[in-house]
Order: sequence, then structure tokens, then C-alpha cells
Amino acid sequence: GAVVSQHPSRVICKSGTSVKIECRSLDFQATTMFWYRQFPKQSLMLMATSNEGSKATYEQGVEKDKFLINHASLTLSTLTVTSAHPEDSSFYICSAVRDMNTEAFFGQGTRLTVV
Amino acid sequence: DAKTTQPPSMDCAEGRAANLPCNHSTISGNEYVYWYRQIHSQGPQYIIHGLKNNETNEMASLIITEDRKSSTLILPHATLRDTAVYYCIVRVGGANNLFFGTGTRLTVIP
Repeated sequence: GAVVSQHPSRVICKSGTSVKIECRSLDFQATTMFWYRQFPKQSLMLMATSNEGSKATYEQGVEKDKFLINHASLTLSTLTVTSAHPEDSSFYICSAVRDMNTEAFFGQGTRLTVV
Repeated sequence: DAKTTQPPSMDCAEGRAANLPCNHSTISGNEYVYWYRQIHSQGPQYIIHGLKNNETNEMASLIITEDRKSSTLILPHATLRDTAVYYCIVRVGGANNLFFGTGTRLTVIP
């Protein structure tokens, strides 16, 4: 299967700072990438859909000014958690698709802890 | 996307077949059944998908009932590494924004 890589895998930051998470498709071009969040013992929740070269589409209840998404190339999308607070501590996961008729491939996830 | 219902947890003996059921009684004609699994603290992994016919790959088999209202994922010879949460998702073909339910936590017992 295709490879999607996230970096970093773990990050600890202080409250009020911003954190950037990268999602890369290593062996294919991804026109669309998705960002999910998963709290402990819960399922994945879709946050936003990121299309290369255009603005991301956010799910209801997700603050677009807090979770900045940039998809500047066909192999890279970034999620920046701005002014992070302890309640933003979560497992953030991205997925990427080659085209809309193939399955999604997921990154290994980034565990964010805000202290 | 249609809602799916899965049992919250199941156990399976190592080496035996694991049969994971999923109900999707409101599935529409253009929706596929997808299965993913998530091993603890990792991103989900694609397993298999199908529309109407049964499907098999190197990981698993997918059995879809004739009325398409339910399906079963079969892991033919479960190993300890198959312990994970298994998600059944139905979605329209061509849409990859996946909405995950609560899944089934499969525990493979030695």
C-alpha cells in the first residue's frame, strides 16, 4: 500500500504556543488529504478536508482559525494548532488519497500534549 | 453516509477465524462497505472494501449479504498482531472523508 508519513509522532508544547504537524504522501501525489482528531478511548473525528491549492473545508464545530491547514503541494499538508491549550491535547491523524476512487491511507498519527 | 452498528468487543482464539459483523441497514445503492483497523496508538489501516460481491485479499475476506444490509469481515487465521479496533464504514464511492463509528475491539487470545 501507499505510504503516508506524519511528523512529529509526539510533541509536547506549552500552553499558548503553536504546533505544526506535517503529513506527507511519500510515494504518490495526493490531491486530497484529511485531518482527524482522536481523544482517548474515542473514535476518530474528521476535522477538515484539505485540497491542494485551495482552502480547507472544516467540519462543523472545528475552529478554522485555531486549526490552520495548508496544502501547498501534492505531497504535503500541514496542520497548525495555534495558541494550544490543554484541551487540544489529542491524537491527530491525517489521511491521503491518490484519487477519489481509491482507499485512503493514513499516517501513523501525532500525539500532542499541551502542558 | 449510512450509519453502521458493530458489537463493541469480541475475543478470538489465536489461529482461529475471527468473524466481525456489521449492520448497515440504511445503506444506499451507491455506498460501499469499507473496513479499517486501528492498532493501539497508530493510524488506521485499510483492510478491504466491497459493493455487492464478496471480496478477498491477502488480509481478509468480506462477506456482504444479498440485501446489503449487513456484512462480515473474516480474518481466517487470527494472530496476536490482529488485536485492534476494527471499523466498518459505508460511504459513497469517490468520497474519502470517512466517518468512523465506535468499531469493534477484537482481542486475540493466545
